[in-house]
Amino acid sequence: GAVVSQHPSRVICKSGTSVKIECRSLDFQATTMFWYRQFPKQSLMLMATSNEGSKATYEQGVEKDKFLINHASLTLSTLTVTSAHPEDSSFYICSADSGRAINEQFFGPGTRLTVL
Amino acid sequence: QKEVEQDPGPLSVPEGAIVSLNCTYSNSAFQYFMWYRQYSRKGPELLMYTYSSGNKEDGRFTAQVDKSSKYISLFIRDSQPSDSATYLCAMSKGGNQFYFGTGTSLTVIP
Repeated sequence: GAVVSQHPSRVICKSGTSVKIECRSLDFQATTMFWYRQFPKQSLMLMATSNEGSKATYEQGVEKDKFLINHASLTLSTLTVTSAHPEDSSFYICSADSGRAINEQFFGPGTRLTVL
Repeated sequence: QKEVEQDPGPLSVPEGAIVSLNCTYSNSAFQYFMWYRQYSRKGPELLMYTYSSGNKEDGRFTAQVDKSSKYISLFIRDSQPSDSATYLCAMSKGGNQFYFGTGTSLTVIP
């Protein structure tokens, strides 16, 4: 149990376009989901916390107008990178809080975004 | 100063060796300590989870937390080639926000 999926696993887009990444909890409901970004050889950096039915909470330095987060249901959160630029190229990972135990987050497999 | 420090390695050991992975931290408010394993191009997978100080063992894995020294360790006994991955430590104060180390890349050579 406690499986989190992400789609797509890899995306290549042109500079200036927008890309949507989906994060789904497949066998549990997640009131809270998290979006992380990971650059090569660097740690996971939390971008935002997404709560179902309310606005996301963004970490300092993360542009909320550029990284749009929608948590439409208890099993789905989406991250849209708007007007993507090459510097947005990164590995984006979501995680979901099962709510069953403190600090129990389950991570998705990640989405590799390459902006040309 | 980063809140969590972790030597990125890379670390290379022969099969069967004991592996020691470590993280240090600066914030005494951290109460929960986790170790994740991440294979290349995959999301992190929770390995061990410890609350406060002490040891926890699960099969070939042992996690140790020394809050007085702000130092945590993960030991892997009888290491296998399938253990080759990046190991991330993570900590939290009890809320949802996790603070990750940079990860240590481990290769176990057959």
